[in-house]
Order: sequence, then structure tokens, then C-alpha cells
Amino acid sequence: AQSVSQHNHHVILSEAASLELGCNYSYGGTVNLFWYVQYPGQHLQLLLKYFSGDPLVKGIKGFEAEFIKSKFSFNLRKPSVQWSDTAEYFCAVKISGAGSYQLTFGKGTKLSVIP
Amino acid sequence: DSGVTQTPKHLITATGQRVTLRCSPRSGDLSVYWYQQSLDQGLQFLIQYYNGEERAKGNILERFSAQQFPDLHSELNLSSLELGDSALYFCASSVGGSNYNEQFFGPGTRLTVL
Repeated sequence: AQSVSQHNHHVILSEAASLELGCNYSYGGTVNLFWYVQYPGQHLQLLLKYFSGDPLVKGIKGFEAEFIKSKFSFNLRKPSVQWSDTAEYFCAVKISGAGSYQLTFGKGTKLSVIP
Repeated sequence: DSGVTQTPKHLITATGQRVTLRCSPRSGDLSVYWYQQSLDQGLQFLIQYYNGEERAKGNILERFSAQQFPDLHSELNLSSLELGDSALYFCASSVGGSNYNEQFFGPGTRLTVL
């Protein structure tokens, strides 16, 4: 079965600092990859997704992620964070082409941005 | 607002009891997914329904069951509740069975078992 690892449990940054959140997955076949964000008290929202093509994916709110197949990684980046980016970030994987489309999530990374 | 609604928002009950969580998908979405989010296990997939039929099962306990009704809303039934069932239960929906359909998540139901 596939699994997803997010290396950082809690990241604290000052505003304008650059962000990189790590995500690795374990599955030998083709996968679809996602980053979701959960702002305090809110539901999960999709930040960006990768299905195929250009491994550098741009999402909403200035976020981007790079799929590196050889490293089984899909790290999330943002060049300059804002206080409003304070949230929990979840990496997720879906097996491509499978009959079911459930997402397997990492345990999440809490991001705290200090003004 | 994702368009997915879940009721109730909070539920407090005692061990051994049974509860029902309800989810209404976005208009037009045929697939419903249930996930459990707990501190120790993180976000885990429980079960998926597509147009009234069970499509996939994840780490769902035998004490838990779900169904999707003809109007496409779904219910998750949790019985013989234990302290460890305390968690946030999310429902998500997507348009259909395509691999490319995005899942939209509801606000969740927070279950506390005392």
C-alpha cells in the first residue's frame, strides 16, 4: 500500500521567509499528487495537484511544487510567506488509473508565520 | 465554502453508543468519500461511494458502516463507540469516478467520545 511522509511536523517562519515543505511517497507505479491546506477552523482546500506533464506545478496563493520521480518527492514551496499562510499543509497521493480514487494523506505540517 | 455540508458540527457521546454523521455532497457530485482525522493516525480514508454503490474501503472498522442514498447524501454510522473513535470526520465529494476529479471537502464533524 502507498504511504506519504511529511518530514516536518511544525515549521515556524518569519514573514517574507521562503518556505519548503517536504513530502515523500512510497509507491512504485504512477501516482497523482496533491497538496491541501487547512486554515484554522476551516475545511481542507486544494492548493495544487500534479497528474502528468511539467513536473513544476503552480497552485493558488503563490505556492508551487516540484515532482521529482527519482526521489519519490513532491515538495511544496513558496518564495515569500505571509502571516495569512499560517495553516496546516497536507501532502496526498492517489494511485493513477486505479478503480478507486481515495487519497492517502501525510500526517501534515503545521506552518506558523510570525509577523 | 466548498459546497459540501456536514451535520452535526460537533457531537459528544458516551462509550458504547451509536451515532450517525451526515454529508451532503456538492450539487452534481456522484462520489462521496469519508475520512477520519485523529492526532495519532492523521487523515485516513474510510470508505467511498459512487452513485449509491460502495466503490472502495479503506481503514474502516467493522463497527462503522456507511451508505449513500438515492438523493446522493451519505451517512456514516459509528456504533459501540470507544474513546479512540474521538476524531474529526470529513466527508468529501467529487463529480464522478474519473481519476482527474478533484475532491472537495466538507467542514467536518468533531466527535468526542467520553
